[in-house]
Amino acid sequence: DAMVIQNPRYQVTQFGKPVTLSCSQTLNHNVMYWYQQKSSQAPKLLFHYYDKDFNNEADTPDNFQSRRPNTSFCFLDIRSPGLGDAAMYLCATSRGLGQGGQTGELFFGEGSRLTVL
Amino acid sequence: AQKITQTQPGMFVQEKEAVTLDCTYDTSDPSYGLFWYKQPSSGEMIFLIYQGSYDQQNATEGRYSLNFQKARKSANLVISASQLGDSAMYFCAMREAITGNQFYFGTGTSLTVIP
Repeated sequence: DAMVIQNPRYQVTQFGKPVTLSCSQTLNHNVMYWYQQKSSQAPKLLFHYYDKDFNNEADTPDNFQSRRPNTSFCFLDIRSPGLGDAAMYLCATSRGLGQGGQTGELFFGEGSRLTVL
Repeated sequence: AQKITQTQPGMFVQEKEAVTLDCTYDTSDPSYGLFWYKQPSSGEMIFLIYQGSYDQQNATEGRYSLNFQKARKSANLVISASQLGDSAMYFCAMREAITGNQFYFGTGTSLTVIP
């Protein structure tokens, strides 16, 4: 059974039209991450939540926002997508320090591939 | 300085042969974990193997083994008896106890298995 579920798998949007990607988990992990991955590159961390504490990477554009209404769900909002935002967006979870998971692995969803026209 | 370095952008291996994918890391934290992920063309990141910094033995998972050389700060992935389905991108990653929730990824190695 899938443990980290992302929707939609494929999203096509127009330049400037807001997009929301969703992620849910059944693992009860307290850390959730959003990564952006462009073709043949390493995943780039946008931000992560430790419980409700939001941690933004310094170079994440303001165009990207996130919400985590509860432990199970996390959303990525792209307010005004540009052509450069076309990418695979990967959601991941891990056990945090409080769950004894200093060195526990990342569990990834299948990704949401965003196309911007 | 890069936390994780993968120096092989692309590798080729003959089917049924073994292949080693290189990974070196940089940390001053005595407690850390090293991970390898496989990413096929479908895009999903698949966890392969984990090595903890205090583990005395090299990790193994089926055809995957990790050649952990702590003094050299290397964590190479060895795939034995390569299969066509092993063709994918492979990423090495590290998590430090001191930074807790941060995972650092290398730039990846593209492996192609030749029939």
